[in-house]
Amino acid sequence: QSVLTQPPSVSAAPGRKVTISCSGSDSNIGNNYVSWYQQFPGTAPKLLIYDNNKRPSGIPDRFSGSKSGTSATLGITGLQTGDEADYYCGTWDSSLIGVVFGGGTKLTVL
Amino acid sequence: QITLKESGPTLVKPTQTLTLTCTFSGFSLSPSGVGVGWIRQPPGKALEWLGNIFWENDQRYNSALKSRLRITRDTEKQVVLRLTNVDPADTATYFCAHFPALDYWGQGILVTVS
Repeated sequence: QSVLTQPPSVSAAPGRKVTISCSGSDSNIGNNYVSWYQQFPGTAPKLLIYDNNKRPSGIPDRFSGSKSGTSATLGITGLQTGDEADYYCGTWDSSLIGVVFGGGTKLTVL
Repeated sequence: QITLKESGPTLVKPTQTLTLTCTFSGFSLSPSGVGVGWIRQPPGKALEWLGNIFWENDQRYNSALKSRLRITRDTEKQVVLRLTNVDPADTATYFCAHFPALDYWGQGILVTVS
């Protein structure tokens, strides 16, 4: 059971927009920065968003992040079949004194 | 350029100690907060943070594994993870990553406990 809650799966058509939610508590999302990771099967996670809404160099602006209270959201616009992957949110938990991740969301581009 | 790579056994017997090495380049462990983190992922499951090290005696551990886990600095560019008394539930791909940013990850190593 993951500390952060994500929907197991989301889907949308190519070219459309999708959002993935990540719900936590005051001890994690509520008082710490959130990151998002993209993971293709058999590969390591790749940092997509850090500090709630910043994109590392090379990440297209189709990917965006936001945070409100104890929830965070990843948005992906202009969906492409190549975006099909698992997406994870992560943050620091001040009570557990460690990094916590969501259970992951599988994105299907129909 | 930052790179990391995990190495070690891919098959371990129950009750044995799992020892993995993370060899990294492009940064140094620092008392000011740059280090190496270990994360694992059981097959088909979510990511789980195991712990991290910043400097010689500055480590943090997942409380659920704290009694079995040690992360140490072996050389200037190598960090070692030791997990004692392993169980089939410890079967997972183990990743090391540039910490705390988690912006660079190793390729991962699949360790099977059987």
